[in-house]
Amino acid sequence: NAGVTQTPKFQVLKTGQSMTLQCAQDMNHEYMSWYRQDPGMGLRLIHYSVGAGITDQGEVPNGYNVSRSTTEDFPLRLLSAAPSQTSVYFCASSYSMGGRPDNEQFFGPGTRLTVL
Amino acid sequence: SQQGEEDPQALSIQEGENATMNCSYKTSINNLQWYRQNSGRGLVHLILIRSNEREKHSGRLRVTLDTSKKSSSLLITASRAADTASYFCATVGVGYDKIIFGKGTRLHILP
Repeated sequence: NAGVTQTPKFQVLKTGQSMTLQCAQDMNHEYMSWYRQDPGMGLRLIHYSVGAGITDQGEVPNGYNVSRSTTEDFPLRLLSAAPSQTSVYFCASSYSMGGRPDNEQFFGPGTRLTVL
Repeated sequence: SQQGEEDPQALSIQEGENATMNCSYKTSINNLQWYRQNSGRGLVHLILIRSNEREKHSGRLRVTLDTSKKSSSLLITASRAADTASYFCATVGVGYDKIIFGKGTRLHILP
């Protein structure tokens, strides 16, 4: 099992550009989530999904879009990048009971994004 | 807003000593989880404790949960250099489907 994979590992964007961060898992987990991590701020939840076709907003959803067409994939789209979106982005997945994240989360290695 | 708040923000101890970190939260929870992160890498799950549990052990780790005080503690016994990392608590609120993290405790083990 590859676990949770994220691509790319590093990315530099110019203000206003758009891009998609990819996340995939091969554990058949229903629950997936995206976090951003900034110095001194811990991890903040951007969007999450309790299953294919279902997504919802987290703590800091503005400027980001997600979709979940398959169980395996949960891409995160930056619509128009801003310097405030410079951060490290983590994707995670877990087994869930009825949509509740009732078990440990498995994290990907992260994507370091810089917006100039 | 972040649910869990870890205390202290940073902790330095001598190798071999015990390290204790605390997490306080605001609303009723379904479960509380502790994670470790080494040097900006991905997080690794340590222990999950459910709201009807009071204590769990895993190797040198001991987690307690006091739902009346809305707090949890993580104890690492006989610390090692490899325990140097950031430790985060994460909560799943009752009736909610979000996992919310605190800001973490940076632990540094001195040789």
